Amino acid sequence: GNSVTQMEGPVTLSEEAFLTINCTYTATGYPSLFWYVQYPGEGLQLLLKATKADDKGSNKGFEATYRKETTSFHLEKGSVQVSDSAVYFCALSVQGSNYKLTFGKGTLLTVNP
Amino acid sequence: NAGVTQTPKFRVLKTGQSMTLLCAQDMNHEYMYWYRQDPGMGLRLIHYSVGEGTTAKGEVPDGYNVSRLKKQNFLLGLESAAPSQTSVYFCASARDRGYNEQFFGPGTRLTVL
Repeated sequence: GNSVTQMEGPVTLSEEAFLTINCTYTATGYPSLFWYVQYPGEGLQLLLKATKADDKGSNKGFEATYRKETTSFHLEKGSVQVSDSAVYFCALSVQGSNYKLTFGKGTLLTVNP
Repeated sequence: NAGVTQTPKFRVLKTGQSMTLLCAQDMNHEYMYWYRQDPGMGLRLIHYSVGEGTTAKGEVPDGYNVSRLKKQNFLLGLESAAPSQTSVYFCASARDRGYNEQFFGPGTRLTVL
């Protein structure tokens, strides 16, 4: 089956620190990979995505590269801000699955000023 | 353009009561999904629909029913609520043109006493 394993949280950083949240996956078939972000009290929003190997998704200073050889899609940001405090979810969708998403458990990030 | 909306935002039920959660989208999306979010579990798919008049089971369908009588609406029903159904419920939709991003509603927080 399909599964996503992401770094356990919570993660607490100071403003301007470097962020990495690890994500690895197993999939039957060729997946597209996503990072979603959930701000407090809100629904999920797509942060970035990559649909084929070696693609790099990027948005709002966040980046993640689809690494097929290591089945990974780690999220990085060079300098976090207080406003980045949220829960981050790694997810995958396999072709032919009616676009169903399989999520990781989420990682809570808190950025302190 | 409201995107995906959910009604109600909060609800408290007693064990054995029934209720229906409404999801509406105004993006003319074919695909709609219901997830539940529990602490430390990420999001798990309950049911989904690939078009008007269709429904299918997801990962955790027991205790829930759904209907998609109109393309823009996707209803989630609990016939006899149990405390184990205390959760935050999210609806999402996606279009069917090879873009597999899901758009999420703001969520419904349900407590079953």
